Amino acid sequence: DGGITQSPKYLFRKEGQNVTLSCEQNLNHDAMYWYRQDPGQGLRLIYYSQIVNDFQKGDIAEGYSVSREKKESFPLTVTSAQKNPTAFYLCASWRQGFNEQFFGPGTRLTVL
Amino acid sequence: GEDVEQSLFLSVREGDSSVINCTYTDSSSTYLYWYKQEPGAGLQLLTYIFSNMDMKQDQRLTVLLNKKDKHLSLRIADTQTGDSAIYFCAESSLSGTYKYIFGTGTRLKVLA
Repeated sequence: DGGITQSPKYLFRKEGQNVTLSCEQNLNHDAMYWYRQDPGQGLRLIYYSQIVNDFQKGDIAEGYSVSREKKESFPLTVTSAQKNPTAFYLCASWRQGFNEQFFGPGTRLTVL
Repeated sequence: GEDVEQSLFLSVREGDSSVINCTYTDSSSTYLYWYKQEPGAGLQLLTYIFSNMDMKQDQRLTVLLNKKDKHLSLRIADTQTGDSAIYFCAESSLSGTYKYIFGTGTRLKVLA
């Protein structure tokens, strides 16, 4: 079955540590996205990538980094520079001609 | 910049109709979407409407679009307890960035 997988589902991090969230899709979609979800604030765009080896900052990119070395993979690194990283992180993908962003199941990151 | 707004909470009784409202600011919006998010999960597309349409019906779901007022609504007929979730409104345009703008989400609680 085609879809988007995110791992891990739950992630705990100590303050000062970098962590990487995985996002993989086998839908052959061109564009991929990372969103952050906080209660009452909806989805905020962190980074997005339209093609391999290219990505753009979203609205809240500070303290995050991404790479897009393969079409199917778009990992997100939450760095120690992100002051309030505890949140639910959602990855999505999109293909031109289809009117839908497909979402993964999400990763809940908690900073201890 | 673009903005999408929704009320945060809605409570209805089982069997009643639910109406979730959304306003947006981008007049160049081409598609408007309704997504559903169940607890701890990703988002699932419920329906979408093209900006030159006024209404779209899909089984228990009715979407109404007032483009003049930039107002979108989702009506769920015969609401069931399984409809309890967060509902997100989103808009996109053909500006070439492939970005969606999401609202804050409306938490629907269905009372038995």
